[in-house]
Amino acid sequence: GDSVTQMEGPVTLSEEAFLTINCTYTATGYPSLFWYVQYPGEGLQLLLKATKADDKGSNKGFEATYRKETTSFHLEKGSVQVSDSAVYFCALSDLGTGNQFYFGTGTSLTVIP
Amino acid sequence: NAGVMQNPRHLVRRRGQEARLRCSPMKGHSHVYWYRQLPEEGLKFMVYLQKENIIDESGMPKERFSAEFPKEGPSILRIQQVVRGDSAAYFCASSQVQGSGETQYFGPGTRLLVL
Repeated sequence: GDSVTQMEGPVTLSEEAFLTINCTYTATGYPSLFWYVQYPGEGLQLLLKATKADDKGSNKGFEATYRKETTSFHLEKGSVQVSDSAVYFCALSDLGTGNQFYFGTGTSLTVIP
Repeated sequence: NAGVMQNPRHLVRRRGQEARLRCSPMKGHSHVYWYRQLPEEGLKFMVYLQKENIIDESGMPKERFSAEFPKEGPSILRIQQVVRGDSAAYFCASSQVQGSGETQYFGPGTRLLVL
């Protein structure tokens, strides 16, 4: 079945450091891939998405490229800020499985000044 | 355009009581999804509904849990005879249509604590 495997955290970085959070997936069909961010006590907010192979999603300095050959969708940001501290979830949706979302376990990021 | 609304934000119940969680989707959205997030875990799909129809309940526990999305009013996730293991954050999401790549928009969640 469909699943998402996400880099375990927690991750602690200094401000302006480079961020990579790894995400790989398994899917039976042609999934769409998403990154969501969750701030403490809040719901999930869409960060970016990609709907087909080689697409790059980007938002707020974050980007991720849909790599079908490596079944990956790694999240990157060139220079993190304290305000980026949150939990990041990789997710996929696959119409072949009813369009429910499959989430990774989340990666907690803390950025220190 | 208001986002997905959930209430209550926090709910405390004693074992054996009932919990009712409400979700109002974004305006114009007719697809509602419920997810459960256990501590230190990702979200797990529970059920997918459209107005007056349950489309996919493959993630719902077989007993004590039910969901509805009536023609009028919010979607309701109902947990009967709650147990401590039901303590979790329950998130509702909505989308405008069903389709690969369609974004689901999440509410702030209801955090259920069972004493």
